[in-house]
Amino acid sequence: ETGVTQSPTHLIKTRGQQVTLRCSSQSGHNTVSWYQQALGQGPQFIFQYYREEENGRGNFPPRFSGLQFPNYSSELNVNALELDDSALYLCASSGGLAGVQDTGELFFGEGSRLTVL
Amino acid sequence: AQSVAQPEDQVNVAEGNPLTVKCTYSVSGNPYLFWYVQYPNRGLQFLLKYITGDNLVKGSYGFEAEFNKSQTSFHLKKPSALVSDSALYFCAVRGSTDSWGKLQFGAGTQVVVTP
Repeated sequence: ETGVTQSPTHLIKTRGQQVTLRCSSQSGHNTVSWYQQALGQGPQFIFQYYREEENGRGNFPPRFSGLQFPNYSSELNVNALELDDSALYLCASSGGLAGVQDTGELFFGEGSRLTVL
Repeated sequence: AQSVAQPEDQVNVAEGNPLTVKCTYSVSGNPYLFWYVQYPNRGLQFLLKYITGDNLVKGSYGFEAEFNKSQTSFHLKKPSALVSDSALYFCAVRGSTDSWGKLQFGAGTQVVVTP
């Protein structure tokens, strides 16, 4: 069973640039959620994708956007980077929208650490 | 809107002693509650969950948690702590109408277990 993998693990950008982070979900999982974890804080929900559509969004501006592909992998895009976007970005996969296969447990990747200078 | 409070930034315990990490929550409807652990520079690992049923939930690595509806609490416990339990612990809640992936996390409690 392949776990959740994220890339890149670390990256440095400058303010105003754009970044794309990638996530491969665990085998058999069709839902991907993205979280932002600032230093010293708990993860904050950005949004969730199910069957290639956004299904739930947290309090993040539109410059945070995403995609989910037919193989359930996902991308997080952030435009016009700001210094406060520096954080660990976590991807989590699960079995679906409270369906029979879904145990409620989220499986997290190890994250992509973004530094904005 | 739901919220989670972890009142202790850090908990210190000697190896072999009981460990308790506190969590209180606020949510409309029935709560779905979770505990996750995070080791340095790693993602989060699931420990246990409460959805319904028995108020005492048993999870991974000898951890358990007790759901108390009247006190809106979901404290994490381990009878005998190990040095390897030193990590950052997060309590999380999901609203009954939210999708499974949308969790509200607390700020985390750093657990330090000394030999």
